[in-house]
Amino acid sequence: DIQMTQSPASLSASLGETISIECRASEDIYSNLAWYQQKSGKSPQLLIYAANRLQDGVPSRFSGSGSGTQYSLKISGMQPEDEGDYFCLQGSKFPYTFGAGTKLELK
Amino acid sequence: EVQLVESGGGLVQPGRSLKLSCAASGFTFSNYYMAWVRQAPKKGLEWVATISTSGSRTYYPDSVKGRFTISRDNAKSSLYLQMNSLKSEDTATYYCARHSDYFDYWGQGVMVTVSS
Repeated sequence: DIQMTQSPASLSASLGETISIECRASEDIYSNLAWYQQKSGKSPQLLIYAANRLQDGVPSRFSGSGSGTQYSLKISGMQPEDEGDYFCLQGSKFPYTFGAGTKLELK
Repeated sequence: EVQLVESGGGLVQPGRSLKLSCAASGFTFSNYYMAWVRQAPKKGLEWVATISTSGSRTYYPDSVKGRFTISRDNAKSSLYLQMNSLKSEDTATYYCARHSDYFDYWGQGVMVTVSS
């Protein structure tokens, strides 16, 4: 199985700050990576797919990058509504696997 | 608007069975793979099952293979998850998700608690 190592586990950011979350795959996943945001008590929402494609309706302050085994999600200018948990997902091969998550809070 | 509504969750004893349902609307159900993803309390996400458009192909992780069965009824735009031989570690919120390369739409989730 492909292991997804996500970091950091938690993050506190000030309003307007730019932050990054990383995911490292245990093998090449050929950009088959998605990022999700999950707010408290809600279901996950797709932010980024295919490593760097922005899902419809997602604010442009969210961006994704990476290739091979290393990927990152960047939020350019933290907003209060960005608080929540963030997960990466590899969709390269079954079993699909998620990162352990990053809890993002507003400082 | 895409909508996925799960039902059928609840409290069940270890070793017993439970069947979850997901009613889909707002898209052509028969054109999409569908999946179940679960999340244990205060834990991360785990993919549980995927089914092809016709239902002829199904995929499971080792943690549920042989115990869970995913199925669909395209005429009713419905997805199902039959869970047998349930264990305490199956306790989680179960989400129905549309599977188009990634899980692009999710339901609100249904809680399954396995406990005596």
